[in-house]
Amino acid sequence: ETGVTQSPTHLIKTRGQQVTLRCSSQSGHNTVSWYQQALGQGPQFIFQYYREEENGRGNFPPRFSGLQFPNYSSELNVNALELDDSALYLCASSLGPGKETQYFGPGTRLLVL
Amino acid sequence: KQEVTQIPAALSVPEGENLVLNCSFTDSAIYNLQWFRQDPGKGLTSLLLIQSSQREQTSGRLNASLDKSSGRSTLYIAASQPGDSATYLCAVMDSGNTGKLIFGQGTTLQVKP
Repeated sequence: ETGVTQSPTHLIKTRGQQVTLRCSSQSGHNTVSWYQQALGQGPQFIFQYYREEENGRGNFPPRFSGLQFPNYSSELNVNALELDDSALYLCASSLGPGKETQYFGPGTRLLVL
Repeated sequence: KQEVTQIPAALSVPEGENLVLNCSFTDSAIYNLQWFRQDPGKGLTSLLLIQSSQREQTSGRLNASLDKSSGRSTLYIAASQPGDSATYLCAVMDSGNTGKLIFGQGTTLQVKP
């Protein structure tokens, strides 16, 4: 059974650019949640996707968007990058939304210059 | 709005000491509470999960307690080792539809040989 994987591991972008981060969920999991972790802080919930639909969103602007594909993998897209978007982006997959245990991937480190 | 606080922010102890990490949360309407370990620049590893109906969970040298009425949890680490050096995060699971995790800022632990 493969765990949650994320790509790329590291990424450097400049302000104003757009970025796409990818997440492959654990086998059998239909739900993916995305979190942003700034340096020295705990992760903050961005949004969750369940069966290809957004199922809840945290306090992030619309330039943060996502997709979930039929195989339940997911993308996080961030437009018009700002310096404060520099962070570790974590995805977590689970057997379903709500009360299911979430399993985290290793993260993508994004640096915006 | 649920807020999670961890004290202390950083802790340095000699090898072999028993230690306690603290976590407090403002809203007792949680589904569960989870303790994670995070090594520098890495993803999250789940250590212990306590359901809201439980009082404690144990795994090896780790013991986590939950007092939902007072909004507190503690993580007890017995006979600390240098390999325990990491950041420890507690997170409460929201009782809503997404089951989003709300994290504290973490306690960074250094165990000196």
